Amino acid sequence: AQRVTQPEKLLSVFKGAPVELKCNYSYSGSPELFWYVQYSRQRLQLLLRHISRESIKGFTADLNKGETSFHLKKPFAQEEDSAMYYCALITGGSYIPTFGRGTSLIVHP
Amino acid sequence: DAGVIQSPRHEVTEMGQEVTLRCKPISGHNSLFWYRQTMMRGLELLIYFNNNVPIDDSGMPEDRFSAKMPNASFSTLKIQPSEPRDSAVYFCASSLAQGTNTEAFFGQGTRLTVV
Repeated sequence: AQRVTQPEKLLSVFKGAPVELKCNYSYSGSPELFWYVQYSRQRLQLLLRHISRESIKGFTADLNKGETSFHLKKPFAQEEDSAMYYCALITGGSYIPTFGRGTSLIVHP
Repeated sequence: DAGVIQSPRHEVTEMGQEVTLRCKPISGHNSLFWYRQTMMRGLELLIYFNNNVPIDDSGMPEDRFSAKMPNASFSTLKIQPSEPRDSAVYFCASSLAQGTNTEAFFGQGTRLTVV
């Protein structure tokens, strides 16, 4: 069965510092990977997906099939980036997202 | 479209009581998911409906949990009897689930507290 691992429950950085939220997955086929974000008191929403290959709010993520990773990166963190971040995986033929446990990002002023 | 709508937003109930959570998916979406969010386990899939039919309910914890989708615009998740360990935030999500349309759209969640 597929699995998504986010090793850090909490990541605390200062404003302007680089950020990397780690995500590893286990799946033998071709997955579709996502990052969802949940800001305080708001609903979960899609941040980005690997097939789009775009940068959203300064965040990027590259799918590395060799390392089975999809780490989320931003070169300069902002206070408004503080949120809960979930990595998710959809496997071929299924439309069911499997989520990691989430990483809480706190950006200090 | 107002997005996925869940009710109630908050529910406090006593152990042993029946709890019913409600969800209205986005019009036109054919897939509906119920997730449970806790600090310890993150987001866990409880059940997945496609075209109103339950496809995967392997995540439903036990017989106390049941979910229905009587039509394309409404779903319920029921817990009977409720227990304190059921306290969590329950999310409903829907998606178009077609081709490259794989994004799940979430509701605001229902925060359930069982005392």
